[in-house]
Amino acid sequence: QITLKESGPTLVKPTQTLTLTCTFSGFSLSTSGVGVGWIRQPPGKALEWLALIYWDDDKRYSPSLKSRLTITKDTSKNQVVLTMTNMDPVDTATYYCAHRTMIVVVDAFDIWGQGTMVTVSS
Amino acid sequence: AIRMTQSPSSFSASTGDRVTITCRASQGISSYLAWYQQKPGKAPKLLIYAASTLQSGVPSRFSGSGSGTDFTLTISCLQSEDFATYYCQQYYSSLTFGGGTKVEIK
Repeated sequence: QITLKESGPTLVKPTQTLTLTCTFSGFSLSTSGVGVGWIRQPPGKALEWLALIYWDDDKRYSPSLKSRLTITKDTSKNQVVLTMTNMDPVDTATYYCAHRTMIVVVDAFDIWGQGTMVTVSS
Repeated sequence: AIRMTQSPSSFSASTGDRVTITCRASQGISSYLAWYQQKPGKAPKLLIYAASTLQSGVPSRFSGSGSGTDFTLTISCLQSEDFATYYCQQYYSSLTFGGGTKVEIK
């Protein structure tokens, strides 16, 4: 059974760097085809994809946020970490991590974490 | 960047109705499209990928069609548990979600 859980601060100040950790079980990020992504959702708004890391350490970022994002993996700890710099109140959102489906050539997310709400405020 | 536009943004329907949601891509994406369902306070659930392939465990009343720029999600007979917000997502070039379509009870 695959599970994912996000953790990190619930409140950050403007200009600070946000660090979120996704801890997962039921799969290994060293297995061919596996990927973990981050998606966020501001209150009452749509989903926005942020980043995706694959088993081979290939990394993809949202073009609009690429300069602010870094995604890394720690295979031994079954964790994926997302950092976002220069946080702003508009970054207030629920942040989800999700498992990329194992279906070849399909970058969709079949298992999601419960999400973690991050508020940016001074 | 590819933009995904969903229509309508919301609508009301009754149990038993056949409903269709549309998603349009700003450029051709072949069949690289997924659909998700999201209920309030919950994470999204993958319904369909590759435009028309049903994810395992998803009821057969859900179906998807389209290729290129125009796609549809159809629910053949709306059930009470289907009232939710639906999102399309392209994965042809980078990843982009649509703005969502909320299906409300009439």
